[in-house]
Amino acid sequence: DIQMTQSPSSLSASVGDGVTITCRASQGILNDVAWYQQTPGKAPKLLIYAGSSLQNGVPSRFRGSGSGTDFTLAITSLQPEDFAIYYCLQHNSYPRTFGQGTRVEFK
Amino acid sequence: QVQLQESGPGLLKPSQTLALTCTVSGGSVSSGGYYWSWIRQHPGKGLEWIGFISYSGSNYSIAPLKSRVTMSVDKVKNQFSLKMTSVTAADTAVYFCARENGYYPTTWVDYWGHGIVVTVSS
Repeated sequence: DIQMTQSPSSLSASVGDGVTITCRASQGILNDVAWYQQTPGKAPKLLIYAGSSLQNGVPSRFRGSGSGTDFTLAITSLQPEDFAIYYCLQHNSYPRTFGQGTRVEFK
Repeated sequence: QVQLQESGPGLLKPSQTLALTCTVSGGSVSSGGYYWSWIRQHPGKGLEWIGFISYSGSNYSIAPLKSRVTMSVDKVKNQFSLKMTSVTAADTAVYFCARENGYYPTTWVDYWGHGIVVTVSS
């Protein structure tokens, strides 16, 4: 199975800040990574797929990049609704595997 | 817009069988190019992908659950289902049904159900 190591596990930031979350795959997976946002009590929401493709309706302040083993989700100018938990998912091979999650908290 | 809704019992005793159904609206389980998945989230933990089934019935489930999990599709009712036998407390989780989209085998989850809380307790 492909392991997805996500970092940091948590970070503190303020509204207007930019933040970066990374995922490292245990083997090369081309650009087959998706990113999700989850708020308490809700299902995850797709933000990015295929490494850098923005899902319809997702604000452009979310940006995905990377290929091979190293991937990044960048959020520019954090908004109040962005404080949540973020997960990466490798969609290159089965079984699908998620990163451990990154909690973005108010500073 | 596609919507998915899980249904099933919220409380089970150890050794019972978990049976969950996901009803799809705004789309068809028979549509080619989509795969229908189950994902769970243990209390306060991350996400665990359980497996998928296609409209044709081809399926895959993760090795630790393979012997206990069965998935099926009901094209008439536009539903897909998960059965998990011999549940234990370790199966207590929120279970999500989801749709995978894209180009097989590199499909990604794009739509999720709201999730259903399943508790296993004697």
